[in-house]
Amino acid sequence: GENVEQHPSTLSVQEGDSAVIKCTYSDSASNYFPWYKQELGKRPQLIIDIRSNVGEKKDQRIAVTLNKTAKHFSLHITETQPEDSAVYFCAALATGTASKLTFGTGTRLQVTL
Amino acid sequence: GAGVSQSPSNKVTEKGKDVELRCDPISGHTALYWYRQSLGQGLEFLIYFQGNSAPDKSGLPSDRFSAERTGGSVSTLTIQRTQQEDSAVYLCASSLRHTAVQETQYFGPGTRLLVL
Repeated sequence: GENVEQHPSTLSVQEGDSAVIKCTYSDSASNYFPWYKQELGKRPQLIIDIRSNVGEKKDQRIAVTLNKTAKHFSLHITETQPEDSAVYFCAALATGTASKLTFGTGTRLQVTL
Repeated sequence: GAGVSQSPSNKVTEKGKDVELRCDPISGHTALYWYRQSLGQGLEFLIYFQGNSAPDKSGLPSDRFSAERTGGSVSTLTIQRTQQEDSAVYLCASSLRHTAVQETQYFGPGTRLLVL
């Protein structure tokens, strides 16, 4: 089955700096890659997703890139703000085994003043 | 409109007791998913429903876990003879439908289960 690895597990950046979180996946059939943000004690919320027919997608300060050959995808947050502090999860899904959205283990991002 | 809701928000039980966790998906969402999130871990897939049927139950950790969905809406996750290792946050999510092009999954607030 699919295996998703996520790095780093924790990340501390100063306000205004950029943050990058990287994920790798194992199933070459995976074609949907969402990113969720989970604030302390709250539910995961989708912040951005990318499908395998595109290599990059941007939404204001966040962007996601996908390299299908290397089976890598990354989340980029620019001009970080304290409210970006949360745990971020990447996930991958392959159609055919479409029920299983496989998640990474999460990255705890701390944005310091 | 209302999002995904779950109840109870917290449940403390004794080892060996049965518990039922409830999920109310977003109205009109035909697909429903259960996940388990242990402390400091990612989200572990348990089961998903398309309508009232569960095409994939492979994530259920043991035969003590079962789930059902009636009327294409509310779902209950039942854990029998709870064990301490069942302690976790149980998250439910729903999506408009389940197709080859994955729909966005919207999560509920979770039920935090503690087995003493």
